[in-house]
Amino acid sequence: GQNIDQPTEMTATEGAIVQINCTYQTSGFNGLFWYQQHAGEAPTFLSYNVLDGLEEKGRFSSFLSRSKGYSYLLLKELQMKDSASYLCAVRPYGQNFVFGPGTRLSVLP
Amino acid sequence: EAGVTQFPSHSVIEKGQTVTLRCDPISGHDNLYWYRRVMGKEIKFLLHFVKESKQDESGMPNNRFLAERTGGTYSTLKVQPAELEDSGVYFCASSPREKGNEQFFGPGTRLTVL
Repeated sequence: GQNIDQPTEMTATEGAIVQINCTYQTSGFNGLFWYQQHAGEAPTFLSYNVLDGLEEKGRFSSFLSRSKGYSYLLLKELQMKDSASYLCAVRPYGQNFVFGPGTRLSVLP
Repeated sequence: EAGVTQFPSHSVIEKGQTVTLRCDPISGHDNLYWYRRVMGKEIKFLLHFVKESKQDESGMPNNRFLAERTGGTYSTLKVQPAELEDSGVYFCASSPREKGNEQFFGPGTRLTVL
């Protein structure tokens, strides 16, 4: 099976930068995905990486290293509304999505 | 454009009863997925439809769960009879055929089995 690990909780200050790490164990996949989920709401798609490197989308960037089984989501210029859970997911070859446990981020004023 | 909708938003039933959850995907999306999140655990894949066909149902827990997507539009997920361990939030997601990896999630149905 696939094991996906993320820190359970993180805290950061408004205006700061935070990096949320994700490690996984799978032999190959069609992509690594990041979702944001506010409490009681649907997960919303943030980004995905297929190849190694950094993908930037405004204040959010995602990095992937397939050889290391590692990804991170970088959030810049944190805002209070960024307080949410951040879910890392992979789609192994021939399978459907496997989600990590999520990281609950609290942004403090 | 309307997003993915799910009905009901909450359902509280007793053990042994039947419940049917409904998902309306974004219009034109061929792919439809069901997921479940049990309290304190990660979101788990249940099954995947492409139009009206079940592409992958490897995540369905047991034969008490039945999913249908007649006509390839909305989908239903029936749990019969419900057990205590079925409690959780059931999410539906859809994606277009040409961008299968970008899933749009519905708000979920919170099911509580007493």
